[in-house]
Amino acid sequence: EAQVTQNPRYLITVTGKKLTVTCSQNMNHEYMSWYRQDPGLGLRQIYYSMNVEVTDKGDVPEGYKVSRKEKRNFPLILESPSPNQTSLYFCASRGRNNEKLFFGSGTQLSVL
Amino acid sequence: SQKIEQNSEALNIQEGKTATLTCNYTNYSPAYLQWYRQDPGRGPVFLLLIRENEKEKRKERLKVTFDTTLKQSLFHITASQPADSATYLCALDMNSGYSTLTFGKGTMLLVSP
Repeated sequence: EAQVTQNPRYLITVTGKKLTVTCSQNMNHEYMSWYRQDPGLGLRQIYYSMNVEVTDKGDVPEGYKVSRKEKRNFPLILESPSPNQTSLYFCASRGRNNEKLFFGSGTQLSVL
Repeated sequence: SQKIEQNSEALNIQEGKTATLTCNYTNYSPAYLQWYRQDPGRGPVFLLLIRENEKEKRKERLKVTFDTTLKQSLFHITASQPADSATYLCALDMNSGYSTLTFGKGTMLLVSP
């Protein structure tokens, strides 16, 4: 089944403790992206990647890192999480000739 | 700066009626516009895409229009059902080409039996 898989689904952590949210897609998509969603603010893009080893900042990249060492994986790294990064995070992907985005199920992150 | 506006107030309608949701944008001429459905706590799911040279697109009970002069898209659900209750997001490629999608904040639709 074609899908974007994020892990974990829920994560509670404390300020300053490094964490990684994984994202994997099995559709051989070139493009992958991370969004965060907050009440009243909608979906905002954090980082995106056009292909392996190519990443770019989105609208809200501060406090986040990403890497794209393999085509299928696009982890989101929070080196020193802060409470303002408490949010619902979504990974998404799409193919080169397909404008439609496929989203993961989301990761609800709480930073205490 | 570019803006995408969707009605922030929830739309309440009765089952069987047609729901119409609006997406307005400013300061940009996108090559296409997309609509997604999002259920609480879940990822958005793609519904329809309409290109700048298309006036209307249909898929089953869904219809999307795109007026590039008004900079507006309308999303219609005919014969609405309680299962259609969700938040609907419009999205545009704000940078043209193969890069990023920017989403509106979405409109919640509530269909009562």
